[in-house]
Amino acid sequence: GAGVSQSPSNKVTEKGKDVELRCDPISGHTALYWYRQSLGQGLEFLIYFQGNSAPDKSGLPSDRFSAERTGGSVSTLTIQRTQQEDSAVYLCASSLVTGHDEQYFGPGTRLTVT
Amino acid sequence: DQQVKQNSPSLSVQEGRISILNCDYTNSMFDYFLWYKKYPAEGPTFLISISSIKDKNEDGRFTVFLNKSAKHLSLHIVPSQPGDSAVYFCAASAAGAGSYQLTFGKGTKLSVIP
Repeated sequence: GAGVSQSPSNKVTEKGKDVELRCDPISGHTALYWYRQSLGQGLEFLIYFQGNSAPDKSGLPSDRFSAERTGGSVSTLTIQRTQQEDSAVYLCASSLVTGHDEQYFGPGTRLTVT
Repeated sequence: DQQVKQNSPSLSVQEGRISILNCDYTNSMFDYFLWYKKYPAEGPTFLISISSIKDKNEDGRFTVFLNKSAKHLSLHIVPSQPGDSAVYFCAASAAGAGSYQLTFGKGTKLSVIP
């Protein structure tokens, strides 16, 4: 079956612009996660969605970052007024349930802010 | 403060020999540990995991060892194959309501030389 897909695969934007990154999780997976990997760093947790519960936004680095998950499926991560330090690979993952269940990752979106 | 540390950014091993990747953690609340493997331009893929109630878990050529008193785990790959060349991430999660939140190390790039 299809894995987690993300679009676009690459995005170059000017400082100050807004960007939207999209994630299509594996069908039937109720949990969805966003991570960020900056150059030379590990993956950094950003936000978590589980079913209809309120998302865990504790990892979002600033109020310029927001995310939505519509209909319990597709998710969009939005970064407003992008800064150069936002440049990173943004990874989405999904899992069948939550807790210690295996997370399946998409290929990521490489964001470059110039 | 990095709670999961992979102190070796890179490792080179001859094909057929053993690869040993190390990981240290500082948070005593971590009770579940995972290894992910990442090829360039792809998302991480789950490799193997271990619960804190065990000290060893084996899956084919891959074995993970956990030393709780030392807060140390290691991944052994025997025998190493060229296709194992990738970046390996150690990750950990804590018990309880936030158990879905993985904390990753910075990764170790493994090169298996034919």
